[in-house]
Amino acid sequence: AQSVSQHNHHVILSEAASLELGCNYSYGGTVNLFWYVQYPGQHLQLLLKYFSGDPLVKGIKGFEAEFIKSKFSFNLRKPSVQWSDTAEYFCAVGSGNTGKLIFGQGTTLQVKP
Amino acid sequence: DADVTQTPRNRITKTGKRIMLECSQTKGHDRMYWYRQDPGLGLRLIYYSFDVKDINKGEISDGYSVSRQAQAKFSLSLESAIPNQTALYFCATSDPVNEQFFGPGTRLTVL
Repeated sequence: AQSVSQHNHHVILSEAASLELGCNYSYGGTVNLFWYVQYPGQHLQLLLKYFSGDPLVKGIKGFEAEFIKSKFSFNLRKPSVQWSDTAEYFCAVGSGNTGKLIFGQGTTLQVKP
Repeated sequence: DADVTQTPRNRITKTGKRIMLECSQTKGHDRMYWYRQDPGLGLRLIYYSFDVKDINKGEISDGYSVSRQAQAKFSLSLESAIPNQTALYFCATSDPVNEQFFGPGTRLTVL
């Protein structure tokens, strides 16, 4: 069965620290990859997405992610986090024409001012 | 106005009661989804619909049913609510390349 694994469940950083959140998936075919963010009390919003082309994709608010096909990974990065980045982050994978997304368990990021 | 709306936003009910959660969208998408979110488990798919006549079970459909009344409306029902259905419920729509757009969520508590 397809699955998505986020390695870090709870991350605590100080402002200006660099961030990398891991995401690995299990599926051998063509995939579409997403990172969503959920700010406290809000709904999920798209941070960035990868469909094809350049494996390094840039999203909103200074986030980027790199698709490494050989490692089945799509890690999220940000060079310098801000207090306002405190949120829960979800990696999601859509495969082929299923029309469904499989979500990881989520990573809670807490940024201390 | 929000593209995906959900009603109610919060609901407290008792075990055994029938509950309906409603979702409407103005994005014109054919595909709609219901998820539940539980701490540490991420989002899990309950039901999804690719058009008005196409309804499919997700990974955790037991205890739930859905109705796709129109392209823009997709309702989730709990026929007889139980406490372990206490969760945050999200409706979503998607375009053909799977980018999903989420509603604000319904926080359901079953006592």
